[in-house]
Amino acid sequence: AQKITQTQPGMFVQEKEAVTLDCTYDTSDPSYGLFWYKQPSSGEMIFLIYQGSYDQQNATEGRYSLNFQKARKSANLVISASQLGDSAMYFCAMRSSGGGADGLTFGKGTHLIIQP
Amino acid sequence: EPEVTQTPSHQVTQMGQEVILRCVPISNHLYFYWYRQILGQKVEFLVSFYNNEISEKSEIFDDQFSVERPDGSNFTLKIRSTKLEDSAMYFCASSFGLLLPNEQFFGPGTRLTVL
Repeated sequence: AQKITQTQPGMFVQEKEAVTLDCTYDTSDPSYGLFWYKQPSSGEMIFLIYQGSYDQQNATEGRYSLNFQKARKSANLVISASQLGDSAMYFCAMRSSGGGADGLTFGKGTHLIIQP
Repeated sequence: EPEVTQTPSHQVTQMGQEVILRCVPISNHLYFYWYRQILGQKVEFLVSFYNNEISEKSEIFDDQFSVERPDGSNFTLKIRSTKLEDSAMYFCASSFGLLLPNEQFFGPGTRLTVL
């Protein structure tokens, strides 16, 4: 069974600061993918960034980057130069590449609030 | 940019009634999913659908749930006899393929309230 743990239920960060959202995971599958989604107060789920378990480099997408430490089973999301619009729930999720693993397993999320 | 759409955005129903939640996945996507999120909790996988049949389902997806692709564009989730605990946000998602990464794109959700 897969498990995602997000230990920060809420975070307050000053605008323009960098922020790191923690995510640790547990799986016995050798091949898997890690995803981060943003959920603003309006409720939709927005895909942010992906990291494959065999990727040699950490993923980056604009202001988002993923600090992937495979041996520690962590995949922390780093948001650089935070903006007020970054205030939202952030979910870490994973999926294995094997059969019968279609659905994403989500963590409980971190509520990020950016303060001016 | 193509997106997943869902209707209605909010549905209120009486306990015991049947509800149908509708989704239009991204047009060239082949895999479709339903997830639910009970208020304040994490998002949970319900079911995946490919080639007009269920590909995988979770323990939550019991006999009161069913999915259907009635035509070339819609994907529906039916709850036969709603219970109070079915109150949640229901998300539809789609992806082009199943191999990683093939990220799943989510719709805006339908908030179901069972009274």
